Amino acid sequence: DQQVKQNSPSLSVQEGRISILNCDYTNSMFDYFLWYKKYPAEGPTFLISISSIKDKNEDGRFTVFLNKSAKHLSLHIVPSQPGDSAVYFCAASDYGQNFVFGPGTRLSVLP
Amino acid sequence: GAVVSQHPSRVICKSGTSVKIECRSLDFQATTMFWYRQFPKQSLMLMATSNEGSKATYEQGVEKDKFLINHASLTLSTLTVTSAHPEDSSFYICSASSREDRFYGYTFGSGTRLTVV
Repeated sequence: DQQVKQNSPSLSVQEGRISILNCDYTNSMFDYFLWYKKYPAEGPTFLISISSIKDKNEDGRFTVFLNKSAKHLSLHIVPSQPGDSAVYFCAASDYGQNFVFGPGTRLSVLP
Repeated sequence: GAVVSQHPSRVICKSGTSVKIECRSLDFQATTMFWYRQFPKQSLMLMATSNEGSKATYEQGVEKDKFLINHASLTLSTLTVTSAHPEDSSFYICSASSREDRFYGYTFGSGTRLTVV
């Protein structure tokens, strides 16, 4: 039973446009959500996070939106750049006891 | 920012031998270390969680006698794959968090590609 889902295994976006990566979760105990970016043969690197008490967090070109009622979060990248091409993992934590990753979405930003 | 150094980045070993992977937190005290394994085209799988000075907590299905985890200090955790087999070939990643940054922490190492021949 996947507690964290990323239903789009891949996404292609034109350079300069917006990339929207989605994540859904089932466990209502999750109180903190994180996005990680992973290049091939490297470990995931932390990108941005959001606490369940917020509905939006912004850091430069990256914005994460959280809809608690829908148990849904999304990562927006504006504008998208070729260097953003990577696999993006959504992760969720419940008070630091469980730490669950989604399966990842491979983003390709086309020049 | 917080940095976790993981070594080696790549290792090839023969079946039946053991391999040790190290993770060091360079500029913070890692009270908790997580060890993950990534299978091709799948998400990271949490193998075990270790707190400094205590025994690791293994996830269901992970053999604790095969994957030995030691977290003897606040800056170093090791994963030893004992009696390695080809099916142990995978990408192993550690991550660390500190008590001060319980949520923000989770700094990842750069990963180790293990190939067992």
